[in-house]
Amino acid sequence: DIQMTQSPSFLSASVGDRVTINCKASQNINRYLNWYQQKLGEAPKLLIYNANSLQTGIPSRFSGSGSGTDFTLTISSLQPEDVATYFCLQHNSWPRTFGAGTKLELK
Amino acid sequence: QVQLKESGPGLVQPSQTLSLTCTVSGFSLTSNSVSWVRQPPGKGLEWMGAIWSGGSTDYNSALKSRLSISRDTSKSQVFLKMNSLQTEDTAIYFCTARFDYWGQGVMVTVSS
Repeated sequence: DIQMTQSPSFLSASVGDRVTINCKASQNINRYLNWYQQKLGEAPKLLIYNANSLQTGIPSRFSGSGSGTDFTLTISSLQPEDVATYFCLQHNSWPRTFGAGTKLELK
Repeated sequence: QVQLKESGPGLVQPSQTLSLTCTVSGFSLTSNSVSWVRQPPGKGLEWMGAIWSGGSTDYNSALKSRLSISRDTSKSQVFLKMNSLQTEDTAIYFCTARFDYWGQGVMVTVSS
């Protein structure tokens, strides 16, 4: 199985900050990496698919980059509504595997 | 609008069988796969298994001996059955369509 190592586990930032979250795959997954936002009690929401494609309806302050084994989710200017847990998913091979998640809080 | 909603018992006794239902709307089960994913408290997400548009299934090898996924296309429902539950099966259980759309999850506690 492909292991996904996500960092950091916790992140505290101020409104307007640039925030980056990383996922590292244990082997090459090409660009088959999605990013999700999960708020307490809500369904996870797809933000970025195939490493750098913005899902319809997602604000442009969210972006993704990377290929192969190293991937980054960037929030260019943090907003209060971005407080959530973020996780990555590799969909290069089965079983699908996830990063452990990053809990983002406001400072 | 694509929607998925999980339902099932909140509490299951150890050694018993868990039965969950995922009711979907806004898309057809005969055109899309649905997976079950779970998240134990304080831990990461684990893909459990999937039912494909044609009706075939695949399971995580770690759960394969205990898990069954099926569906009723006429009711737009996907079912999960997992037997021999233990406390470590306590988790939030999600269903997801192609990993694009997710339900909000249902908390299942395994306890006597």
